[in-house]
Amino acid sequence: ETGVTQTPRHLVMGMTNKKSLKCEQHLGHNAMYWYKQSAKKPLELMFVYNFKEQTENNSVPSRFSPECPNSSHLFLHLHTLQPEDSALYLCASSQAGTATEAFFGQGTRLTVV
Amino acid sequence: GQSLEQPSEVTAVEGAIVQINCTYQTSGFYGLSWYQQHDGGAPTFLSYNALDGLEETGRFSSFLSRSDSYGYLLLQELQMKDSASYFCAVGNNAGNMLTFGGGTRLMVKP
Repeated sequence: ETGVTQTPRHLVMGMTNKKSLKCEQHLGHNAMYWYKQSAKKPLELMFVYNFKEQTENNSVPSRFSPECPNSSHLFLHLHTLQPEDSALYLCASSQAGTATEAFFGQGTRLTVV
Repeated sequence: GQSLEQPSEVTAVEGAIVQINCTYQTSGFYGLSWYQQHDGGAPTFLSYNALDGLEETGRFSSFLSRSDSYGYLLLQELQMKDSASYFCAVGNNAGNMLTFGGGTRLMVKP
């Protein structure tokens, strides 16, 4: 148990579906992140939230929409995805301003069909 | 922007020592971190270097040379359970963003 919980662990969705990924952290951190991990590619930073405010959007397509209602919860809303969006989506948290040690969830394995 | 280079794969035998190198190019720098990820698992934090030199944590050590934009992770007394992917990562100046290298897949053989 890492203190960062992601649901669901696996998700299969069609290109016209709308779904959401959820992340919850119980570590008292105030920064949360979404990363995408594709096969044979580096971990790609998607979004950063510090104290519930989005501080980074790493040129992510608008079909990915993040939401951070409080410092403990982070969502990634998905709609009209493409097959190339199939990947492992990882949520992480850290103390704001100290991204040296991030704690990751187990990830959601997303398959777009 | 930030980019990191590390070997894609390393193989070593049980009990040996292995060094995984990482070179980086950054527009800002807030330290070099290392993470371990087993297949199907989440990345877990191993070590962090903000200043030049060697940091030791048990069998694992990490080194940083800021003038060379270079660091490495040293794993001693390798065990089978050390077979995993290892990622180096750099933080930006504000310390609110981690950029990862492509990862090095370490295979430990008997």
